[in-house]
Amino acid sequence: AQSVTQLDSQVPVFEEAPVELRCNYSSSVSVYLFWYVQYPNQGLQLLLKYLSGSTLVESINGFEAEFNKSQTSFHLRKPSVHISDTAEYFCAVSDHRLTGGGNKLTFGTGTQLKVEL
Amino acid sequence: NAGVTQTPKFRVLKTGQSMTLLCAQDMNHEYMYWYRQDPGMGLRLIHYSVGEGTTAKGEVPDGYNVSRLKKQNFLLGLESAAPSQTSVYFCASSPFPYEQYFGPGTRLTVT
Repeated sequence: AQSVTQLDSQVPVFEEAPVELRCNYSSSVSVYLFWYVQYPNQGLQLLLKYLSGSTLVESINGFEAEFNKSQTSFHLRKPSVHISDTAEYFCAVSDHRLTGGGNKLTFGTGTQLKVEL
Repeated sequence: NAGVTQTPKFRVLKTGQSMTLLCAQDMNHEYMYWYRQDPGMGLRLIHYSVGEGTTAKGEVPDGYNVSRLKKQNFLLGLESAAPSQTSVYFCASSPFPYEQYFGPGTRLTVT
């Protein structure tokens, strides 16, 4: 069984400051890792993903995440946040194996990022 | 290309009533999923489908049924709604093994 832990339920930060949202996972097999963002009253949108290859992955809007297998982490970072980054962020993990059960995602409980002026 | 759409967007039910939520995708994805989102609990998988005519239980299937008669549609049914089913419901589709694409959600209140 897999699990995802997002230790911070809320992260307040001032505009233009750096931010890190933490994500740790537990799995007995290789995994795919994802960060999703949810703006108020909207569905989830994929922010970035790690499938294989380079352990550092980036999004088009300046976020990045690094897969650390030894620490089983996939923390999300941004060097300078904007007020428009205010949203809830979900880390998710998917089983790497071709089990025929579909790539079911296990989600963390989410981190609310609030960017203040 | 509309992606994943959900009908309806909002619904209020009385305890014991039934309803069906419709999810449609136009991306020819094999896999489809139904989740519920509750405050502080993230998203939890209700049921999923790995192809037309197939369905399987997820993490919290009790009180729900699903059908996938056509590849592009995935229906979620509540036969006898309970207040504990008040939630926001999200549908998603996926071309394994890549990311899932989510619909805009249905906000359901059971009184």
